[in-house]
This record gives sequence, C-alpha cells and structure tokens, in this order.
Amino acid sequence: GNSVTQMEGPVTLSEEAFLTINCTYTATGYPSLFWYVQYPGEGLQLLLKATKADDKGSNKGFEATYRKETTSFHLEKGSVQVSDSAVYFCALSDRAGGTSYGKLTFGQGTILTVHP
Amino acid sequence: EAGVTQFPSHSVIEKGQTVTLRCDPISGHDNLYWYRRVMGKEIKFLLHFVKESKQDESGMPNNRFLAERTGGTYSTLKVQPAELEDSGVYFCASSPSQWSTDTQYFGPGTRLTVL
Repeated sequence: GNSVTQMEGPVTLSEEAFLTINCTYTATGYPSLFWYVQYPGEGLQLLLKATKADDKGSNKGFEATYRKETTSFHLEKGSVQVSDSAVYFCALSDRAGGTSYGKLTFGQGTILTVHP
Repeated sequence: EAGVTQFPSHSVIEKGQTVTLRCDPISGHDNLYWYRRVMGKEIKFLLHFVKESKQDESGMPNNRFLAERTGGTYSTLKVQPAELEDSGVYFCASSPSQWSTDTQYFGPGTRLTVL
C-alpha cells in the first residue's frame, strides 16, 4: 500500500535559519505529492504540490522537488520566519488502482517552531 | 468564495453517546472527503463522496460510524455509540474533481473528545 514517512519532529530553529523537512514515500502507481501546512488554530491548507517526476513546487519561499529515483519530496526554505511556525504534513495522492484516486495518504506531521 | 466549513468546532461527549459532525464543502465541489487525526498521529482517510454517492469508504473504522451526503451538498458523520478511541480531530475536505493532481481544500476540523 501507499505510505509517507516524514522526519520526526519537533523542529526548532532561529529566525533566518535554513529549513529542511524530509519526506519519503511508497506508492504503487504515479502519485502526486503535496505539502500541507496547519497554522495554530486553523485548518490544513495547501502549501505546494508537484504532480510528476522532477517537478518543483514552490510557494511563500518554500520549495520541494519530486524525486522519483529517491522517492522523496523534501521541503526546504532558505530563511524561515517566526510566522512559519506551524505543523507541516507531506501527503500523496495515487493515480493508479483503487476506487478513490483523490484519497490522500499523509505523513505524521512535523511541528516547526521558529524563535526570533 | 466561502471555504469548507465544519460544525461544531469542538465536541465533548461521554462514552456511549452519539455525536454528529457536519461539513459544508465549497459550493460546486462534487468530491467530499472525511479524514481523522487521532492522538497526534498521521491524518487518515475515512471516506470519499462523489456527489451523494460513497465512492470509497475503506477507511471507516467500524459500523459505529455512518456518513451521509444527502442531495450531494453538505455531509454528516455520525458516531454512535462513541468510544474513547474515537477522540481526535475530524477533517473534511472538498475538491472539484477526484483526479490525484487536484488540490483538496480542508475545513478547520472538529475536535472530538470522548470521556
């Protein structure tokens, strides 16, 4: 079956530090990959996505590249801000097989705290 | 355009009671999904509606959970009777299509506590 593994958290950084949150996946078909973010007191919102190998998703200074050869979709940001403090979820949606193509499989989430 | 809304935001009930959660998707979105996050673990899929039909309910934990989407608009998720392990955050999401490339738009979630 499909699965997503995220690096364990929590992650604590100082403002302007470099961020990497690792994400690897297992999928039976041709998945689309997503990063969702949940800010305190809010619901999940899409941060970025990539729908095929070698695609790079980017938004708000965050980037992630779909690496089929390493089955990875690591999230990076060059300089984090206090406002980036949130829970980050890596997820996939598999195109092949099954009856629900849109179903998302999530990683366990990574709590990021950024200090001034 | 209004986003996905969920009601209530919090619910505290005792074991054995019944609770009904409601989700209103974005207008025009035929696809509606329910997910659950228990005790800080990963978010898990429960089921998927296309309009009023259940496309996939493989994630429903047991027959104490009943989901409906009458008329293809809002959806309800009823837990009867509730057990302690049902505590968690229940998320609803909607999307215009069921393609795997599509973005799902999530509601704020309902935090359910079963005592």
